[in-house]
Amino acid sequence: NAGVTQTPKFRILKIGQSMTLQCTQDMNHNYMYWYRQDPGMGLKLIYYSVGAGITDKGEVPNGYNVSRSTTEDFPLRLELAAPSQTSVYFCASSYDSGGNPYYGYTFGSGTRLTVV
Amino acid sequence: RKEVEQDPGPFNVPEGATVAFNCTYSNSASQSFFWYRQDCRKEPKLLMSVYSSGNEDGRFTAQLNRASQYISLLIRDSKLSDSATYLCVVNGNDYKLSFGAGTTVTVRA
Repeated sequence: NAGVTQTPKFRILKIGQSMTLQCTQDMNHNYMYWYRQDPGMGLKLIYYSVGAGITDKGEVPNGYNVSRSTTEDFPLRLELAAPSQTSVYFCASSYDSGGNPYYGYTFGSGTRLTVV
Repeated sequence: RKEVEQDPGPFNVPEGATVAFNCTYSNSASQSFFWYRQDCRKEPKLLMSVYSSGNEDGRFTAQLNRASQYISLLIRDSKLSDSATYLCVVNGNDYKLSFGAGTTVTVRA
């Protein structure tokens, strides 16, 4: 099993450009999440999904969009990139055992994004 | 008030020493608790789950105090490879986990 795979690993964007961060998991996890982590800071939840076709906002959703058309894929779209979106982005997935992610998350290796 | 608060450290300890640190959480209804380890901006990795009775995994011991709403992690016989940031993680509302900002541990030779 590959686990959670994120692409690309690194990207430099110019202000105003758009891009999609890809995330796919092969563990048949129903829950998926996008976090960002700024230097020296904790992880902040951007969006999450509890299953195909269902997404919801997290703590810092502005400037981002997501979709979940399949169980495996959960892409994150950045529209009109801004320097404030320079960060490391982590995708994660988890398995539901009765309504809570009791088994923790599996993370992808991250995408390091710089907006200049 | 933050959902999960941790002492950021850093804790600088010599090899072989014992180091312990806590985190506090604000949601009294939380049911799942974890410690994650993060190395130098790599992805967080699950270190151990924390159970009500406390649990041990090799040199690592985790304790949960529901009454005071804190979780602790103790590392015995520290190794150089234990140098990392340790994230306290608590299940928040619904399907989301809340992450502390992390406690940095540096083990020196």
